[in-house]
Parts: sequence; C-alpha cells; structure tokens
Amino acid sequence: GQNIDQPTEMTATEGAIVQINCTYQTSGFNGLFWYQQHAGEAPTFLSYNVLDGLEEKGRFSSFLSRSKGYSYLLLKELQMKDSASYLCAVRDSNYQLIWGAGTKLIIKP
Amino acid sequence: DAMVIQNPRYQVTQFGKPVTLSCSQTLNHNVMYWYQQKSSQAPKLLFHYYDKDFNNEADTPDNFQSRRPNTSFCFLDIRSPGLGDAAMYLCATSRDGEGYGSGANVLTFGAGSRLTVL
Repeated sequence: GQNIDQPTEMTATEGAIVQINCTYQTSGFNGLFWYQQHAGEAPTFLSYNVLDGLEEKGRFSSFLSRSKGYSYLLLKELQMKDSASYLCAVRDSNYQLIWGAGTKLIIKP
Repeated sequence: DAMVIQNPRYQVTQFGKPVTLSCSQTLNHNVMYWYQQKSSQAPKLLFHYYDKDFNNEADTPDNFQSRRPNTSFCFLDIRSPGLGDAAMYLCATSRDGEGYGSGANVLTFGAGSRLTVL
C-alpha cells in the first residue's frame, strides 16, 4: 500500500529552527507538497518539490531525495504564528495525492 | 480576491437528517475536490471533478453524493448522516494544464464546513 510517515507532534522554541521529516512509499512519484494547517482551518500551500534538492522560500525551505523517499520542511526563525500542523502529500503515478496525517508543531516562548 | 467559499462554516444535524454543503470558486479552476478530514488525520478524498467528469473514490460510502451544476459550484450531499460522519469537509480546487496533473497542481482550499451529528 501507499504510505506517508511524519512525526505526530514536535515542540520548538520561538526564534529557533525546526526540521519536520516526511518519508513516503508510493506507487510512483510526481511531486511532493507541504501544506500548513492552523487548527480548525483549511490547509494552505507552502512548497512543492519534484526534483532532488532544496527549495527555499523565505523562512521556509523544503528538501527532497527521491532515491530515499524522503523530504523535510525546515522552518527558521520560528514565530508563535508557526504553531500549526504541517501536512506532507505526495502525488503518485496516477496523479493522485497521498496525504500524511500531519505533524503538529507547538512553538513555546 | 479570487477564492474558494464554503457554506455553511458550521452545520449541526441530527442523526439521519440529510445535509448539503456547498462550495463556490472564483478561480476558474477546472478541477474541484471534496475531502473529509477528522481530527489529527489526513484529509480523505471523497470525490473530484475534472471539468465535468465525476470521479468517485472506491471507498467513498454511497451515503455521500456530489453535484457540480457548473464550473463554479459544487455540492456535497450526505443523505443520512451518522455519528461517524462528523468531520471537517474541505472543498479544494486546482488548475490542470496539458494532461491531467501536469504542473504543480497546487490545491486551493476553502475554509471548510465543520459537521456535527447529534
């Protein structure tokens, strides 16, 4: 079957850096997405990787290694508003999105 | 601003009483999706429309139906809600280019409709 694994919950300190990992096993690969979801709200798009390497977008960066079936989302200079769930999703060979259950990130002052 | 709008934001219904949730979009996206999301779980795809073509996920219960009367609107009908159907229902849209799923195909979500079943 197809599977996306992410840690359930992580805690970090305001101003610090945190890395949220995602490993996947899917039928083919056509891109990996990271979405942010605040409690009770809809997911919003953060980043997209289809080639190996690092994509940087402001305080957020996302890395992909297709050979390892691995990605991470790196958040720098953490702010309290970054407290949210971070969802990893992979598009498989049928262009279907396979979602992870999300990582709840708790930021402490 | 172009957006995806869902109504109602909160819906309370009784066990077995039909519910309709609506979604409208001003993005002119050709693909629309309905997801069910329960607390701390991954979004679960119920249906999607690629233009007018309806695609039902194999494990979507018959209790769930959908309509897309035009490009801008999509409805989710829950014919006889059970306690297990209490969830957040998310509508999303995307634009697909040449060939299904080409490009980044980023999903734009509505704010969601939270369904409570008493």
